[in-house]
Amino acid sequence: QKEVEQDPGPLSVPEGAIVSLNCTYSNSAFQYFMWYRQYSRKGPELLMYTYSSGNKEDGRFTAQVDKSSKYISLFIRDSQPSDSATYLCAMSADNFNKFYFGSGTKLNVKP
Amino acid sequence: GAGVSQTPSNKVTEKGKYVELRCDPISGHTALYWYRQSLGQGPEFLIYFQGTGAADDSGLPNDRFFAVRPEGSVSTLKIQRTERGDSAVYLCASSLILAGTDTQYFGPGTRLTVL
Repeated sequence: QKEVEQDPGPLSVPEGAIVSLNCTYSNSAFQYFMWYRQYSRKGPELLMYTYSSGNKEDGRFTAQVDKSSKYISLFIRDSQPSDSATYLCAMSADNFNKFYFGSGTKLNVKP
Repeated sequence: GAGVSQTPSNKVTEKGKYVELRCDPISGHTALYWYRQSLGQGPEFLIYFQGTGAADDSGLPNDRFFAVRPEGSVSTLKIQRTERGDSAVYLCASSLILAGTDTQYFGPGTRLTVL
């Protein structure tokens, strides 16, 4: 079993839709949770960073962490075609030495 | 520079050859990470440097892989006797570790193809 599980998609939505992306994990030691966006042939770009449980909002993006369920989510409001990319969740234990990534969900926002 | 840079952007080599991949981290960042990303997968951790020393090399798949960071800035990932299964995008990331936080900034990657 992988440390982090993520539905690969692809997920196709119309412009303006609310997008929900999710990851589950098995290691209860994970404390730091990140969402990265990766465009084709580019490196991952950090979108959201959350410590422990709770919600965090930044513009159109909201990250949620439920440690009791080992489940994290990223919501994108008013999705735009420019949001079309692969979204990777990543997480780390306290030592923060290495991140464990999900396999990524490919999102396509249609104009 | 403004971000993490990696060279070359693409590398094609033949099975059995030796390759070196270079990473220039963000200036002042003390930590440097190497990841490998296969097609359709997320990045997979290889090695982490804090300064000049490898703090965690548990992700290196075997002894054909080696990485150095002699002056605590630029790092080189070295792969000996390359195999077709080594084909992947090799990503480098750097971070400025502050108390309680650590955000990794990624470079564009080096796409390695082993024929």
